[in-house]
Amino acid sequence: AQSVTQPDIHITVSEGASLELRCNYSYGATPYLFWYVQSPGQGLQLLLKYFSGDTLVQGIKGFEAEFKRSQSSFNLRKPSVHWSDAAEYFCAVDISGGYQKVTFGIGTKLQVIP
Amino acid sequence: DVKVTQSSRYLVKRTGEKVFLECVQDMDHENMFWYRQDPGLGLRLIYFSYDVKMKEKGDIPEGYSVSREKKERFSLILESASTNQTSMYLCASLPAIQERTGDEQYFGPGTRLTVT
Repeated sequence: AQSVTQPDIHITVSEGASLELRCNYSYGATPYLFWYVQSPGQGLQLLLKYFSGDTLVQGIKGFEAEFKRSQSSFNLRKPSVHWSDAAEYFCAVDISGGYQKVTFGIGTKLQVIP
Repeated sequence: DVKVTQSSRYLVKRTGEKVFLECVQDMDHENMFWYRQDPGLGLRLIYFSYDVKMKEKGDIPEGYSVSREKKERFSLILESASTNQTSMYLCASLPAIQERTGDEQYFGPGTRLTVT
């Protein structure tokens, strides 16, 4: 069965610092890969996605992620974090290729300190 | 913009009650999903539906049922609520594959259910 690992449950960064959130998946082929963000009291919003092609994908709010097949990873990055980025971030994979039966990671909660 | 609404943001029910959680989407999406979200466990799929009156079990369907009588509405039913069903419940929708510009799901704001 597919699985998604987000090894960091909580991360604290200073405002203006760079950010990297880790995500690893286990699946034989390349799945569809997603990063979602959930602000407090809100549903999930898609940040970016990877299906194929260029392994560096750009998303909304200045985020990017890089797919590395050799490491089965899809890490999320942002060069300079803003206080409004404080939220919970979920990595997700889909191997269904159609109905999107998605497996989510457990999430990484980001705290931003001034 | 796609809008997914859930009938309640907060709900408190007693053990043994029958509970209905309603989800409505306004974009004529074929697919709809119910997840529960728990700290340290992320989101887990309970049920999904790919058409009216069609449903499939997700990863944790035990203790839940669903109903999709109309395309825009997907209901999650707890036949006899138990304390271990206290959780945040998220609904999502997704268009049919031929209509997608991407493959992302659109989420509602969630219903926080407490069973006492």
